[in-house]
Amino acid sequence: QLQLQESGPGLMKPSETLSLTCTVSGASISSSNNYWGWVRQPPGKGLEWIVNFYYGGNTYYNSSLKSRVNISVDTSKNQFSLKLNSVTAADTAVYYCASLKLGRIWFFDLWGRGTLVTVSS
Amino acid sequence: FMLTQPHSVSESPGKTVTISCTRSSGSIASRYVQWYQQRPGSSPTTVIYEDNQRPSGVPDRFSGSIDSSSNSASLTISGLKTEDEADYYCQSYDGSNEYVFGTGTRVTVL
Repeated sequence: QLQLQESGPGLMKPSETLSLTCTVSGASISSSNNYWGWVRQPPGKGLEWIVNFYYGGNTYYNSSLKSRVNISVDTSKNQFSLKLNSVTAADTAVYYCASLKLGRIWFFDLWGRGTLVTVSS
Repeated sequence: FMLTQPHSVSESPGKTVTISCTRSSGSIASRYVQWYQQRPGSSPTTVIYEDNQRPSGVPDRFSGSIDSSSNSASLTISGLKTEDEADYYCQSYDGSNEYVFGTGTRVTVL
């Protein structure tokens, strides 16, 4: 059974680089059948899509975040990571990693429980 | 583009609610729409994908549709139950595969 678990720093300071990891179990992150993504949600607000990618393939970014976002994959640990640089208080949010499922298009299928990241001086 | 939803809707158990999702630019019918349910304190789950398809396990009380005349999508929940109380988000994408979520609607079961 596919499961995703986010991990992150919890609290960080403005201008630092946020690093989040999503550990995947129940599926191989390097399989071409799997598509992965990150979504965030500021406290009390709505969902904001960050990025989608599949291993060895294209990566698609939210254009408003693209200049600050980097995605990496560690196949030995079956993990993928998100780095967001130059964070500000506006980046305070619950960050979810998710898997996408292919119907006629890729849509979000399973989400992790999320990890809260607070940016504060 | 943006996807605009009503901030909140409320109805009594057993009744029907419909949530709209209006696309600001581009045709709503040209890109599939998904709907996600987020109960308080939980992660989102999919209730509708590709405009009107239900994932396995989602009751047929949930249905989705598209209205090209208003450039909007709708999620209808019939036979409302207390367990349906949640935030609902529509989601679509553009030609660059950039995904967008709607503004979200709080459904309250009175």
